[in-house]
Amino acid sequence: GAGVSQTPSNKVTEKGKYVELRCDPISGHTALYWYRQSLGQGPEFLIYFQGTGAADDSGLPNDRFFAVRPEGSVSTLKIQRTERGDSAVYLCASSSGLPTDTQYFGPGTRLTVL
Amino acid sequence: GDSVTQMEGPVTLSEEAFLTINCTYTATGYPSLFWYVQYPGEGLQLLLKATKADDKGSNKGFEATYRKETTSFHLEKGSVQVSDSAVYFCAPLSQGGSEKLVFGKGTKLTVNP
Repeated sequence: GAGVSQTPSNKVTEKGKYVELRCDPISGHTALYWYRQSLGQGPEFLIYFQGTGAADDSGLPNDRFFAVRPEGSVSTLKIQRTERGDSAVYLCASSSGLPTDTQYFGPGTRLTVL
Repeated sequence: GDSVTQMEGPVTLSEEAFLTINCTYTATGYPSLFWYVQYPGEGLQLLLKATKADDKGSNKGFEATYRKETTSFHLEKGSVQVSDSAVYFCAPLSQGGSEKLVFGKGTKLTVNP
């Protein structure tokens, strides 16, 4: 069984550009999470989906960040007008959706904004 | 909101030494508690977890006990190996509908032969 996959693995962009990061969760997992990990820090929560809907988007830093999961499987994190401070590793995780279940993480997308 | 305080690193040990990495948390209620590990060049992996007070999680020789009275979940291993070199993260699972993990800053462990 495949794990969580994320594409691209690396993304370099220029300040002000738009980027999309993709996450493919483990098949059958209804819950999907996005986290952001800055250098030397632990991951910080961004958004949580249960099915197609965002159950908690309280971690999104501002309205330049948006995420979708239209069919309840693949999710895309979208960042508009990127800033240098957005540079980080963006992690996706999925779980069965049952309370206390383990979240399984993907390898991450390293975003560098020049 | 929920938070976690983890022992500052880096930690450097010799092979076969005893390891303790302290972790305390603040949370509403009694969250499930997790330790994740990040080996060099790899993604985050679950190491162990405990879902209720006094539970002991264990895996690969590592152990951690859920201590409700001290709100702690310290990670221990009796004899570390070079292959245990990694960054370790303690994370309570926030309750109240979000199910999000709240990570500490991580503790980098280096084990020398």
